[in-house]
Amino acid sequence: QVQLQESGPRLVKPSETLSLTCTVSGYSIKSDHYWGWIRQPPGKGLEWIGGIFHSENTYYNPSLQSRVSISLDTSKNHLSLQLSSVTASDTAVYYCARVQGADFWSGFYWAKGDVKYMDVWGKGITVTVSS
Amino acid sequence: DIQMTQSPSTLSASVGDKVTITCRASQSISRYLAWYQQKPGKAPKLLIYKASTLEGGVPSRFGGSGSGTEFALTISGLQPDDFATYYCQQYYDYSPLTFGGGTKVEIK
Repeated sequence: QVQLQESGPRLVKPSETLSLTCTVSGYSIKSDHYWGWIRQPPGKGLEWIGGIFHSENTYYNPSLQSRVSISLDTSKNHLSLQLSSVTASDTAVYYCARVQGADFWSGFYWAKGDVKYMDVWGKGITVTVSS
Repeated sequence: DIQMTQSPSTLSASVGDKVTITCRASQSISRYLAWYQQKPGKAPKLLIYKASTLEGGVPSRFGGSGSGTEFALTISGLQPDDFATYYCQQYYDYSPLTFGGGTKVEIK
């Protein structure tokens, strides 16, 4: 079955770039689903960071768009998250997830589709921003 | 952004009770709503999508209803495994996807 596993540094210094990887097993990231990142600060609720389709169309939360980058490595079947200029408020559990929905081929280019809900989640990785 | 407001934030109940959690959207989202269950230290688990469609493997005691701006998650006959925090999420507008603040269901 589909499994997702987050990995990366658990401690990041302020102003530096947070970099995480999500390895997907049991399913190809070239399939017709989005792949996304969601975070949860300690004791708080869930926040959508953004997602990506194998078309390389990306869907970022506007509140983070200037600092976030999500990419796919189809050869390794994983997705990556980079969040730059981090502060203590970026301390959170970071989850990767498979997201229902798909872009569609217009005949000339990949058009953006409808990003929906997360049906498979990784276990999450706790990242602390501190000097 | 579409704001999602859940109530109550905490709910105390006993095994066997019927409980209802409500979720209100700041604008109409048709039926583009999902519900998740999260236990401490674990990732959220999808329960319901399209407001009322049960994800595979989810017990039938869970039910979803609503459309437009008002939605509800009902658990009929609360089981010990159901004590958790529940979140709603809209996907009418993906920029950005937004979640409710959560409802913690605790043991009375």
